[in-house]
Amino acid sequence: KAGVTQTPRYLIKTRGQQVTLSCSPISGHRSVSWYQQTPGQGLQFLFEYFSETQRNKGNFPGRFSGRQFSNSRSEMNVSTLELGDSALYLCASSLVMGQDYEQYFGPGTRLTVT
Amino acid sequence: ILNVEQSPQSLHVQEGDSTNFTCSFPSSNFYALHWYRWETAKSPEALFVMTLNGDEKKKGRISATLNTKEGYSYLYIKGSQPEDSATYLCAPNSGGSNYKLTFGKGTLLTVNP
Repeated sequence: KAGVTQTPRYLIKTRGQQVTLSCSPISGHRSVSWYQQTPGQGLQFLFEYFSETQRNKGNFPGRFSGRQFSNSRSEMNVSTLELGDSALYLCASSLVMGQDYEQYFGPGTRLTVT
Repeated sequence: ILNVEQSPQSLHVQEGDSTNFTCSFPSSNFYALHWYRWETAKSPEALFVMTLNGDEKKKGRISATLNTKEGYSYLYIKGSQPEDSATYLCAPNSGGSNYKLTFGKGTLLTVNP
């Protein structure tokens, strides 16, 4: 069974630009969560989607948005990039979010904002 | 905001040593606790999902216990090996409509050969 895939793996953008990251979950998984990882901050929850609906959102500004498609693939968008948005962005899929189901993480997208 | 504390922040042990670390979380509204292992240059990997007070789970040389009444979980590694070197993360979930995991900052374990 193929794992969670994320594209692109690396990305360099300049301040003010916008970026879209993609995540394809494990086949059959309907929940996709996004996390931001920065040095010293650990994994910070961005949002979770299930059946195309955002069910929870972390404490991030409105510049961070996402969506999920009918095939469970998800995209995350960051507009008006800031230097502080440089981070590793991970997505994770699960049969059903939270509760007692494991999440499976993708390899991440390393975003550098210059 | 859920306060998740992991201690110690980092740990250096010799190959063959046994070690343990702690995850503390609010005991109210508890539903499940997840443990993950994150090796450098890899993706976080699920180790355990625990839900019941007093639960104990084991995978090879790694085991975990859970105390939901006092809000803590211990992760034990018996006979540490260099390949156990990783950051170990815990994340409680309060269930219900709280569809997210709140991760601690992790314990960085380094096992010296």
